Amino acid sequence: DAGITQSPRHKVTETGTPVTLRCHQTENHRYMYWYRQDPGHGLRLIHYSYGVKDTDKGEVSDGYSVSRSKTEDFLLTLESATSSQTSVYFCAIRNRFTTSTEAFFGQGTRLTVV
Amino acid sequence: ELKVEQNPLFLSMQEGKNYTIYCNYSTTSDRLYWYRQDPGKSLESLFVLLSNGAVKQEGRLMASLDTKARLSTLHITAAVHDLSATYFCASAYTGNQFYFGTGTSLTVIP
Repeated sequence: DAGITQSPRHKVTETGTPVTLRCHQTENHRYMYWYRQDPGHGLRLIHYSYGVKDTDKGEVSDGYSVSRSKTEDFLLTLESATSSQTSVYFCAIRNRFTTSTEAFFGQGTRLTVV
Repeated sequence: ELKVEQNPLFLSMQEGKNYTIYCNYSTTSDRLYWYRQDPGKSLESLFVLLSNGAVKQEGRLMASLDTKARLSTLHITAAVHDLSATYFCASAYTGNQFYFGTGTSLTVIP
């Protein structure tokens, strides 16, 4: 298994509070991604990173920010959580410069905003 | 932005039957990925298709890629219950962004 750890695995938070999810990798891969998974929408890209301090927006980035100060950690922050951000969040890592370039996924974080 | 569309969204099939899941993507890309997800679990990589005409097979699953048509297929042969899962295709845009289809939920009925 790819060395990806997401924390926390489950979280319940109140509307309006800030929340930070952490993705930690031990593979030294350059690319890291945050997705949210909702029924009927598949996985939607929130933000991604292509190196330390290098990040960019995905298709559903509103209300989310990210930071990557070290290769191994990619943080996703919900500045002020809303009920529409209740979802399962997946982190993925990818080594773009190998032959396969596939992405490997963490176990997911189930976030409930009440 | 890359759009990736899968059909069907839901598929119920009997054991022993064959079926195909289709994946269309909207921009030029020469790589296509297939994943499997079991309920409540993470995504597991099934196939990586790296060029036009690529075909990969594993057990009862076979994936193919036609980059000219921007189409990939996942063919299921003689389905068994263990294949029940959600299957996703994904493609890369500008080499960096990695976009997924909406998934196909497959249920194999005995």
